[in-house]
Amino acid sequence: AAGVIQSPRHLIKEKRETATLKCYPIPRHDTVYWYQQGPGQDPQFLISFYEKMQSDKGSIPDRFSAQQFSDYHSELNMSSLELGDSALYFCASSLLRRGATEAFFGQGTRLTVV
Amino acid sequence: DAKTTQPNSMESNEEEPVHLPCNHSTISGTDYIHWYRQLPSQGPEYVIHGLTSNVNNRMASLAIAEDRKSSTLILHRATLRDAAVYYCIRGFAGGTSYGKLTFGQGTILTVHP
Repeated sequence: AAGVIQSPRHLIKEKRETATLKCYPIPRHDTVYWYQQGPGQDPQFLISFYEKMQSDKGSIPDRFSAQQFSDYHSELNMSSLELGDSALYFCASSLLRRGATEAFFGQGTRLTVV
Repeated sequence: DAKTTQPNSMESNEEEPVHLPCNHSTISGTDYIHWYRQLPSQGPEYVIHGLTSNVNNRMASLAIAEDRKSSTLILHRATLRDAAVYYCIRGFAGGTSYGKLTFGQGTILTVHP
């Protein structure tokens, strides 16, 4: 079965650069979530989209923005990167309009800021 | 803030049952209990969820206390592949806020051959 696809899997950027992370949800899923997991930490919710509209917002820095496109894929844009942004970024999807109770996570993008 | 309390770590031997406890003493009447696990270098994976009644699926069983202030995830026969961090999460079932999962400190499960 198709899973959540994230790209790239690894990304190395320098401080003050920008990065774009992409997420392709499971086909027909209507909701996408983004999480950040720093080294040795638990995943932290950043932001979510339902039917291409922002539905919830967590501890996402103002330097970050995200959107969900008409084909339901989502992108997380990160500007003015800082060393502390180095983390694993997970995307998850679910099918809420069918009363989904399970979020499916991708393998993550490992971002390293040097 | 959805708070749950879990032991930092637990150990088990392969093919033995594992009982992972979780306290959620301030849970509201509409909060579900969800369990996710995270294997090394992978994204979190759904395990099971429940509201009041005990639940079973192919991965595990969830036993919820009658007062709902605690629950226990039961792995009936641990395998080496079950070694992971297990997260107990309070949350909604359904609704656009479902996926806003608050991961607290989970339990690191070590399985010995």
